[in-house]
Amino acid sequence: GENVEQHPSTLSVQEGDSAVIKCTYSDSASNYFPWYKQELGKRPQLIIDIRSNVGEKKDQRIAVTLNKTAKHFSLHITETQPEDSAVYFCAASHHNAGNMLTFGGGTRLMVKP
Amino acid sequence: DTEVTQTPKHLVMGMTNKKSLKCEQHMGHRAMYWYKQKAKKPPELMFVYSYEKLSINESVPSRFSPECPNSSLLNLHLHALQPEDSALYLCASSQDLGGRTQYFGPGTRLLVL
Repeated sequence: GENVEQHPSTLSVQEGDSAVIKCTYSDSASNYFPWYKQELGKRPQLIIDIRSNVGEKKDQRIAVTLNKTAKHFSLHITETQPEDSAVYFCAASHHNAGNMLTFGGGTRLMVKP
Repeated sequence: DTEVTQTPKHLVMGMTNKKSLKCEQHMGHRAMYWYKQKAKKPPELMFVYSYEKLSINESVPSRFSPECPNSSLLNLHLHALQPEDSALYLCASSQDLGGRTQYFGPGTRLLVL
């Protein structure tokens, strides 16, 4: 089955700096890669996703890049703000596996004001 | 409306109790999921229902029993749980199983005494 690894497990940045979180996956058939943000005590919320026919996607301060050959994808947050502090999960799935998401271990991002 | 609702928000139960968790979505989604999330860990898939067909994570013990009364509702029946089953139980839904975005409910925080 699919295995997703995520690094780093914790990340501390100064407000205004950029943050990068990286994930690798094992199943070359995976074709859908969402990123979820989970604040303490809250539900995971989708912040951005990318499909395997696209190499990069951007939404305001958030971008995701995908390298299918190397089987890794990354989340980039620019101009970080204290409200970006949360746990971020990457995930991978492919429709042949019934849309079952395999999550990475999570990254706790702390943005210091 | 991209909302998935869950009841109750919190539940405390003894090991001999029988209880049920409820999940509802009105987005016309045809796939619904149950996840278990322990503290500081990613969500783990337990069950998937799509078009009234159930898929199971084979590692889920039989003391957890899902039920899908219709395409908008998903229940999780609990019986004879163990303290290690204490966790946040998240419901999610997606349009279908074809690599679609999953939207999570707020979760039920379960404590088994």
